[in-house]
Amino acid sequence: QVQLQESGPGLVKPSETLSLTCTVSGGSISTYYWTWIRQPPGKGLEWIGYMYHSGSTNYNPSLKSRVTISVDTSKTQFSLKLSSVTAADTAVYYCARVPPRDSKSYAFDIWGQGTMVTVSS
Amino acid sequence: DIQMTQSPSSLSASVGDSVTITCRASQSISGYLNWYQQKPGKAPKLLIYAASSLQSGVPSRFSGSGSGTDFTLTISSLQPEDFATYYCQQSYSTPYSFGQGTKLEIK
Repeated sequence: QVQLQESGPGLVKPSETLSLTCTVSGGSISTYYWTWIRQPPGKGLEWIGYMYHSGSTNYNPSLKSRVTISVDTSKTQFSLKLSSVTAADTAVYYCARVPPRDSKSYAFDIWGQGTMVTVSS
Repeated sequence: DIQMTQSPSSLSASVGDSVTITCRASQSISGYLNWYQQKPGKAPKLLIYAASSLQSGVPSRFSGSGSGTDFTLTISSLQPEDFATYYCQQSYSTPYSFGQGTKLEIK
């Protein structure tokens, strides 16, 4: 059974870069899209972006200038980097899997448990 | 960008009731609509994909319908574990977007 697990610092200083890793266990990183989603405390969900296993990426325009998603197929991990963070980037960050678009189940079908990141000095 | 609007924002119901949550897209998204359930402190869980297909392992009391711009999630015979927040999400085009959520509370 495929499982996802986020890891990374829980506290980041303003203007620095937030870096998180998602480890995929129990399955291959090939074929799927790998995505990041965040949720500020008490608020709704925001899609950050995705990377296909081949390396192609697609980012939310609202964050595009600050976001990089990359994949390490040898380690079955993918990562998120968000630069120049402010307090507005404080949120629970989730990684999730998306089957290919030609699959009927084109949705975030498996999620990590989430990791809280606070931006504060 | 496609905006997703859910109604109501909150809802009170009793165990055994049937409830319906509505989601409207700002433009046609065909059938690319998914529903998630989120409990406090937990990650969202996929319930329904492609507007009406039940994700494996999800109880059959959950059902979805709709196409184009208007969609519904119906939960029949509410169980205690169903009290949670529900989100719709469009996967028609990027940036993928979610509704603001509907909090289902026990009456």
